[in-house]
Amino acid sequence: EVQLVESGGGLVQPGGSLRLSCAASGFTFSSYSMNWVRQAPGKGLEWVSYISSSSSTIYYADSVKGRFTISRDNAKNSLYLQMNSLRDEDTAVYYCARDPTLARFDYWGQGTLVTVSS
Amino acid sequence: QSVLTQPPSASGTPGQRVTISCSGSSSNIGSNTVNWYQQLPGTAPKLLIYSNNQRPSGVPDRFSGSKSGTSASLAISGLQSEDEADYYCAAWDDSLNAPMWVFGGGTKLTVL
Repeated sequence: EVQLVESGGGLVQPGGSLRLSCAASGFTFSSYSMNWVRQAPGKGLEWVSYISSSSSTIYYADSVKGRFTISRDNAKNSLYLQMNSLRDEDTAVYYCARDPTLARFDYWGQGTLVTVSS
Repeated sequence: QSVLTQPPSASGTPGQRVTISCSGSSSNIGSNTVNWYQQLPGTAPKLLIYSNNQRPSGVPDRFSGSKSGTSASLAISGLQSEDEADYYCAAWDDSLNAPMWVFGGGTKLTVL
């Protein structure tokens, strides 16, 4: 069974940093691209970042470019999102989602809440 | 402002057929396939339709998708109370400067 479990969310002050993790199991993690997608309270879905299976291709949404860094460790079956210079508008539930190479988000984690507030 | 345009709400009575539209442009829907996601209240999104009209295993055939030009539609027939959820369309956008996944703003479906 495919499982994606996010962790690392919490309350952080504006300008602060946070590192999210997504632990994958039930599939060959190194064969799949991965994404981070977020959802602000009461709002719709917003794609954040994409990383290919080998980390050779990475994309970011304009809203996080230069502040967020996506990475993965295939040996540990883990996906990461380093978030720096956090802003109020980064407050959201962050989901990791599996992606058979720019095709679709076929499995999603349960999400982790990031709250940016002073 | 979302790149893909969906109606904010839709409704129907049990047993009815409802459709939800999704409008984009040549750089997203016009050149790539469309996926649809269902988000039940308080849960993570779930893939409902992929590659315009394909259903993942376990998704009832009451759900169907179509695409024409730069627009796509999700149809739900035989509406059931458990279909009450938010529905999002999504597509890859090939914009040269900033390729990205784009979503619609979501449609809240109410079963009356």
